[in-house]
Amino acid sequence: GQQVMQIPQYQHVQEGEDFTTYCNSSTTLSNIQWYKQRPGGHPVFLIQLVKSGEVKKQKRLTFQFGEAKKNSSLHITATQTTDVGTYFCAGVTTSGTYKYIFGTGTRLKVLA
Amino acid sequence: DAGITQSPRHKVTETGTPVTLRCHQTENHRYMYWYRQDPGHGLRLIHYSYGVKDTDKGEVSDGYSVSRSKTEDFLLTLESATSSQTSVYFCAISESRFGQEETQYFGPGTRLLVL
Repeated sequence: GQQVMQIPQYQHVQEGEDFTTYCNSSTTLSNIQWYKQRPGGHPVFLIQLVKSGEVKKQKRLTFQFGEAKKNSSLHITATQTTDVGTYFCAGVTTSGTYKYIFGTGTRLKVLA
Repeated sequence: DAGITQSPRHKVTETGTPVTLRCHQTENHRYMYWYRQDPGHGLRLIHYSYGVKDTDKGEVSDGYSVSRSKTEDFLLTLESATSSQTSVYFCAISESRFGQEETQYFGPGTRLLVL
């Protein structure tokens, strides 16, 4: 079936190091959304990308949507302890049945 | 945070019993969703609603039913709970379908344990 995988599943970094998570879909997506979920919390929307090759920045966070609209990445520069949590991508598939699918998530731990 | 509440927040039940989870919103958003979250699977859509009495299935709808008799309330029912339905359940709302125009807002979640 249609899947959205994220790698890595877990990442531990020292505070100040950079971090990147990758989102890969088996089918083309009409858009990609990114969410952050703090431990014990609920997902919170970060950003949406719609156009092929689109790049958006939010302070230390850089989001990219691939040219083929099947993959995306989130890069955090100089991580801080407040960046701890699980990052999810999600998107709507454009092939076959209209589906909204979440990625498997990347759990980030930042060591002070 | 958007005005979304879920009840109960925690529940322990036994296999074979019916369970109903409630999601209540004060934002008057048209769309409401139920997701379950399990380790290694991210969030998976169970059912969603696009208006009063209008619902549709998600990717993991088997064993679940929903009802929406008022804009503000979306109920998720497990007719006969099984251990495989032990999970964290999140309700979400949005003004456009799957938050395509803005975003989805998530509730605090309900932890369900089926023994």
